[in-house]
Parts: sequence; structure tokens; C-alpha cells
Amino acid sequence: QKEVEQNSGPLSVPEGAIASLNCTYSDRGSQSFFWYRQYSGKSPELIMFIYSNGDKEDGRFTAQLNKASQYVSLLIRDSQPSDSATYLCAVSEGGGADGLTFGKGTHLIIQP
Amino acid sequence: EPEVTQTPSHQVTQMGQEVILRCVPISNHLYFYWYRQILGQKVEFLVSFYNNEISEKSEIFDDQFSVERPDGSNFTLKIRSTKLEDSAMYFCASSDSGSAYEQYFGPGTRLTVT
Repeated sequence: QKEVEQNSGPLSVPEGAIASLNCTYSDRGSQSFFWYRQYSGKSPELIMFIYSNGDKEDGRFTAQLNKASQYVSLLIRDSQPSDSATYLCAVSEGGGADGLTFGKGTHLIIQP
Repeated sequence: EPEVTQTPSHQVTQMGQEVILRCVPISNHLYFYWYRQILGQKVEFLVSFYNNEISEKSEIFDDQFSVERPDGSNFTLKIRSTKLEDSAMYFCASSDSGSAYEQYFGPGTRLTVT
């Protein structure tokens, strides 16, 4: 059974600070890793994906992957109140036919 | 920017009735998916579809579910005899053959079974 674990939170971060979200996964065959943002009542919105060990930066977001530790993280710099949402970690085995296995998500609150 | 669309946004049905949820994937995408999210729970994979056939399905996707691409643009999920526990948000997603087959989600259909 593939599992993706996230701390459900809420994680409260002051505006302008760095928010750090973490995720672990059980399936060593996982090859692609995704971070989605989900506002209440809305659909998941893709923020970043990563498939190589190390860091990947896109604007205020940095995804980090450590396959040996089966660990993925997302850093959000200069956090804004609009970043307040649930962040979903998802993994797949890397092929187009593969469904994503999601974690339950971390509820992030950015305090103005 | 291209996006996945879904109709209807909300569907109410009685237990035992059949429902069809519709999706229009992003036009140049080749892989299509259905997910569901029961209220307060995680997003769960149902099925993937490629080249006019099912590629992968989860344990949830039993005989009451079916998918179809009836024409060049629509992708449908049919639930044959709905149960109370089928009440959930149903999301369609699509991807192209990009580096990580990134999946883009539609806005969802809220299915309420009474």
C-alpha cells in the first residue's frame, strides 16, 4: 500500500517569513513528486513538480527531494496571506498512466 | 491559458440512479484521469485513460464505474447505481507527455447522493 504522509497542521507562519512543508512517502519506486495547493472547496492547483534529487526553485517556491530518505519538502519564501491554503503532496511512479497518490495535506495559515 | 473543464458543477441524485460526469481535458493532452475527494479526506485516484482505453485503475474503481471518450473532446465518468458513499467531489485531470506527466485538475463536480 503506497502511503504519503504529511503533518495536517495547521501550520501558522507570519507574513513575510518562510513556510516549510514536509512530506514522506513509502514507495521507493516513486519517481515524480508534486506539490498542489488547494483552497477550501476548490480543486488542486499544481505549484511545482520535481523528479531529481536536490532543489528546484520557481519564484518564491523551492521544492526539495531526497530519494534516499524518501522525503520531499516545499519552501515558500516571503509568505503572503494569499498563500493560506492546504498544500497537498503527491507522488507517482513516473509514467503517464500512473495515478497520483496524495497525502492528506498540510493546512497553512499565513498571519498578517 | 488552457484549462480542464467539468460539468455539471453540482449533481444531486437519488441512491440507485445512474450519473454521468463530464470533462473536457486540455486539448493537446493525451492522458486523462478521474479522482475523487470525500469531504475532509484526501484526494483518491480512480482511473487513468490513454489511447482510448483504461491504463490503470484503483481498487475504488469497481464494476459500477466506467469511463468513456465519446468524441474528440469529452471524457466521461459513469456511475451505474449510485450509493450514499459515492457522495464526493469528482475531479478530472489531464496531462501531456511532459517531463513528469504533470496533471492539471478541473474544477470538480460535487456529487450528492440522497
